[in-house]
Amino acid sequence: TQLLEQSPQFLSIQEGENLTVYCNSSSVFSSLQWYRQEPGEGPVLLVTVVTGGEVKKLKRLTFQFGDARKDSSLHITAAQPGDTGLYLCAGSFPSGYALNFGKGTSLLVTP
Amino acid sequence: GAGVSQSPSNKVTEKGKDVELRCDPISGHTALYWYRQRLGQGLEFLIYFQGNSAPDKSGLPSDRFSAERTGESVSTLTIQRTQQEDSAVYLCASRGPDREGRNEQFFGPGTRLTVL
Repeated sequence: TQLLEQSPQFLSIQEGENLTVYCNSSSVFSSLQWYRQEPGEGPVLLVTVVTGGEVKKLKRLTFQFGDARKDSSLHITAAQPGDTGLYLCAGSFPSGYALNFGKGTSLLVTP
Repeated sequence: GAGVSQSPSNKVTEKGKDVELRCDPISGHTALYWYRQRLGQGLEFLIYFQGNSAPDKSGLPSDRFSAERTGESVSTLTIQRTQQEDSAVYLCASRGPDREGRNEQFFGPGTRLTVL
């Protein structure tokens, strides 16, 4: 059973466009991470959110944690080819330690 | 500083053979995790080590899978009598002291295992 559902599964856009990726669950998480993974490499941590309603910005990337801490979104402004990769969200429960991952959103940005 | 390292980066084996995968965590990280990433799937938790506590093996898919960790350093994941469904990328992650329950894990590059 996949605790975290990510959408869309695939996204192909042109350089300069904006996009939003969603990560949804019926479970409440104590923290949620977003990772980016490139082919042949491990996931790289982008951000951690812990407070409901929290918004974090990382250059052109904006991350938001839902008020109820069940969902999150990642918005990329003016996408660049270097943003290409697999974006993974992962949530932790208060009493747990393993990360629960979504299946990811595969993003392709073409020049 | 150095990140998490894993070896080998690629491993091709024949069905029925045993394989051993290695992980070197970030120095000082007491928590170490193994995950499996199969094509088109999210990462699946396999096992968790925390200091000298007994490991949590609840994610291991069968008794063919086992893992060890020497103190707070190197870990090895062993798969006995490999099957084709074991083909996947095996990822190791480590975590330092957990700030505010953030559970921030840092991943190695993975070992891509192919069972023929």
